[in-house]
Amino acid sequence: GAVVSQHPSWVICKSGTSVKIECRSLDFQATTMFWYRQFPKQSLMLMATSNEGSKATYEQGVEKDKFLINHASLTLSTLTVTSAHPEDSSFYICSARVWGNAGSAYEQYFGPGTRLTVT
Amino acid sequence: QQQVKQSPQSLIVQKGGISIINCAYENTAFDYFPWYQQFPGKGPALLIAIRPDVSEKKEGRFTISFNKSAKQFSLHIMDSQPGDSATYFCAASSGQGAQKLVFGQGTRLTINP
Repeated sequence: GAVVSQHPSWVICKSGTSVKIECRSLDFQATTMFWYRQFPKQSLMLMATSNEGSKATYEQGVEKDKFLINHASLTLSTLTVTSAHPEDSSFYICSARVWGNAGSAYEQYFGPGTRLTVT
Repeated sequence: QQQVKQSPQSLIVQKGGISIINCAYENTAFDYFPWYQQFPGKGPALLIAIRPDVSEKKEGRFTISFNKSAKQFSLHIMDSQPGDSATYFCAASSGQGAQKLVFGQGTRLTINP
């Protein structure tokens, strides 16, 4: 259980275009999902918290007009990188939060990530 | 105060040995401490997690030791195998994990055969 998928797994786009990344919880419902960005050999950097049916909460320094997040259902959140530029090239990873089977805490399960390359 | 400091940055262990990775935190509101394993090009996978009401949790070859007074926790991998070679991240959260995770810097573990 607790499987999270992402689509696409990799994408190449031209500078100035927009790219949409989907994050789905496959076997559970998630009212809260998170979007991260990871540079090579570095830790995960939280970009935003996505709550179903409401506006996302962005971390300081993350441009909300550039990284559009929509969480329209309990199993799907999307991240759209608008007017992408080469500096947006990165590994984007989503996670979904669910109450753990042990019944003692919320757990976050991560998707496999999406490699974005902007040329 | 929101930081989680992880060490070492990289670690090389012989097959069959014990791998130990350490993390320290400052925020006493943290009450959920997971460890994640990440292979190159993949998303992190939840390995094991602990709450502060216990000092140790074991799952198979993986053990978390937790020292509340020192605000430190560590991951021990017993009988380390080449397949354990990956990057490991510790993290912390408050609200029983409901709040955002604060990640350590990561440890690149290499198990030599």
